[in-house]
Amino acid sequence: DAGVIQSPRHEVTEMGQEVTLRCKPISGHDYLFWYRQTMMRGLELLIYFNNNVPIDDSGMPEDRFSAKMPNASFSTLKIQPSEPRDSAVYFCASSRTSGSVNEQYFGPGTRLTVT
Amino acid sequence: GQNIDQPTEMTATEGAIVQINCTYQTSGFNGLFWYQQHAGEAPTFLSYNVLDGLEEKGRFSSFLSRSKGYSYLLLKELQMKDSASYLCAVHAYSGAGSYQLTFGKGTKLSVIP
Repeated sequence: DAGVIQSPRHEVTEMGQEVTLRCKPISGHDYLFWYRQTMMRGLELLIYFNNNVPIDDSGMPEDRFSAKMPNASFSTLKIQPSEPRDSAVYFCASSRTSGSVNEQYFGPGTRLTVT
Repeated sequence: GQNIDQPTEMTATEGAIVQINCTYQTSGFNGLFWYQQHAGEAPTFLSYNVLDGLEEKGRFSSFLSRSKGYSYLLLKELQMKDSASYLCAVHAYSGAGSYQLTFGKGTKLSVIP
C-alpha cells in the first residue's frame, strides 16, 4: 500500500493568498483526519471525517479554514486568505474502524510557509 | 478537554533503558497511544493501551494506569536510531458522538554514544 499521500510537500505563499492542501487516504480506511503541528502548540486536530462526512470541526481555527471530502479517496484543506500565523506542518491521517485499536496512519505532511 | 503532560526533553546512552512518562486529565477516556516522530517526518504508531497494565512489543513497552491518569513508554537496549520525539496521545469522547485523539507536546529523546 502506498500509505497516506499528501500534496504538495512544501508550499510557500504570500499573505492573503489561497492555499489548498490535498490528501489521499489509505484505501479502505473510513476515517480521515487533518492535523496541524507547530513548535508552540504541538500536534492539533483540526477536523475529521467518517465515511466522507465531517464529524467534528471544533479544531478549525476560524472561518478562513475549510475542509471537504467529496469521495472516499480524496480530501482538501483550504485556507483563504492565508496569514503568517498559519505557517505550520499540516498532516493528514487515516484509520479504519476495527474492534479495538484504531491506529491512525499519517501522511508525510505539507510544510506551509506564509510570508 | 484534555490536559496531557510529558517531559520536553530527555537524554540517554546507547544500550541503556529509558522511561518516558505521561500524565493526563480527561473525561471519556477510551485509550492511550504512543507515537514516534523523527525530525521532519510523520508520526508513526508505537503502542496502544486501553486496560491497566503493561503491553510489550519488542524493545518497546507501554504501561497504563487509568486510575492514576498515568502512562509510560519504556525503551530498552537503546539505539542511535531511537533518537526522536515520542508523543503521548489520549483517545477520549469529546461529545456529540465524537471521539478525538489529543496529543501531548512530545518528549524529544536524544540517544548519545
